[in-house]
Amino acid sequence: GAVVSQHPSRVICKSGTSVKIECRSLDFQATTMFWYRQFPKQSLMLMATSNEGSKATYEQGVEKDKFLINHASLTLSTLTVTSAHPEDSSFYICSAMGGGRRGEKLFFGSGTQLSVL
Amino acid sequence: SQQGEEDPQALSIQEGENATMNCSYKTSINNLQWYRQNSGRGLVHLILIRSNEREKHSGRLRVTLDTSKKSSSLLITASRAADTASYFCATEPGTASKLTFGTGTRLQVTL
Repeated sequence: GAVVSQHPSRVICKSGTSVKIECRSLDFQATTMFWYRQFPKQSLMLMATSNEGSKATYEQGVEKDKFLINHASLTLSTLTVTSAHPEDSSFYICSAMGGGRRGEKLFFGSGTQLSVL
Repeated sequence: SQQGEEDPQALSIQEGENATMNCSYKTSINNLQWYRQNSGRGLVHLILIRSNEREKHSGRLRVTLDTSKKSSSLLITASRAADTASYFCATEPGTASKLTFGTGTRLQVTL
């Protein structure tokens, strides 16, 4: 099956620094990827839709200047948390559509646990 | 806002028993999917049921969909300790391709 690789799996950073998370589709091209945020024991909240070659579409309430998304190729999307603060600590997960009809079957990265000190 | 509400929030059963979790949603859908998440990991797709289907099977999994009640259920038969995980339903609305995830059910299967 399709594989999505997410890196790093865990990052600890100081408040005020920026953190970049990468999401790669390893064996398929993904024109659309999604970024989610998940708090402990809660569901996934969609942050933004990343579109290859164009600007990301952000969900209501998500600061686009805070969470920079770049989808420069068909296999790579990056999420940069800029000037991270402790309240940004969370589990971030990316996903990519595996092809076929739009919206069917997402393939997920393994997630990144961000801890901001 | 989240589309799906799942119940129970948590379920603890013994190995060999069946586990049933339910998902309710609010608007019309194209399909409904179930995903599994092990602690601290990404989600894994389990099964997809289309809006014109009522029941679907995959191995030990059985999914039902009742569009008139806007609800779905996931049944795991003969559970194993390895089934311990969180299970999420996700709906694809009729007018958009983005999936919206439910609140999840945390399943604990003990030996």
